[in-house]
Amino acid sequence: DAKTTQPPSMDCAEGRAANLPCNHSTISGNEYVYWYRQIHSQGPQYIIHGLKNNETNEMASLIITEDRKSSTLILPHATLRDTAVYYCIVRSGRRGNAGNMLTFGGGTRLMVKP
Amino acid sequence: ETGVTQSPTHLIKTRGQQVTLRCSSQSGHNTVSWYQQALGQGPQFIFQYYREEENGRGNFPPRFSGLQFPNYSSELNVNALELDDSALYLCASSLPLLGQLNTEAFFGQGTRLTVV
Repeated sequence: DAKTTQPPSMDCAEGRAANLPCNHSTISGNEYVYWYRQIHSQGPQYIIHGLKNNETNEMASLIITEDRKSSTLILPHATLRDTAVYYCIVRSGRRGNAGNMLTFGGGTRLMVKP
Repeated sequence: ETGVTQSPTHLIKTRGQQVTLRCSSQSGHNTVSWYQQALGQGPQFIFQYYREEENGRGNFPPRFSGLQFPNYSSELNVNALELDDSALYLCASSLPLLGQLNTEAFFGQGTRLTVV
């Protein structure tokens, strides 16, 4: 799976949008971009994933550049509870039981401040 | 709540001992994977079980072993514990569907193992 690069930390004001960047310049055609977050002392939580189109769900939006070499996770109205480590993961698409082998990097520690 | 439960939540063991950690996957999920997360680092993939067979392994020595049962629950066993085995051990489950290229993994809250 391709390697990802994320800034180690970011701050965001409560109520503002948090934009978390991720570089994955070696991504290949069948690799998806996944985002997970980990709130202190809890297990990672799935947020969103995408292949090449922008995606939105109730938690966040994922913007993937046209060349797919980078992406941005957007939390539209950050709250204090969004303070967490956010992991961008590139994972190959495989059929059937290829499952859960996720390669976590260091992630971005997002601090949402009042 | 993800429906993935792990036990125990905390554990203290002595170097050289053996430990068994347990995971109940979300209902119907037939794939379980285990991760080790040292303090301040991201989780590292240990191995994965699908239908009671190991079908993927990370860079961990053979003293890390596992089992998956017919009800899809799983165990992680670590023999000859070392101080560096102190970490949060996470279990994740998913239900890969034929024809679907990707599914998300649901993680439990983890077991905090301390080796002294």
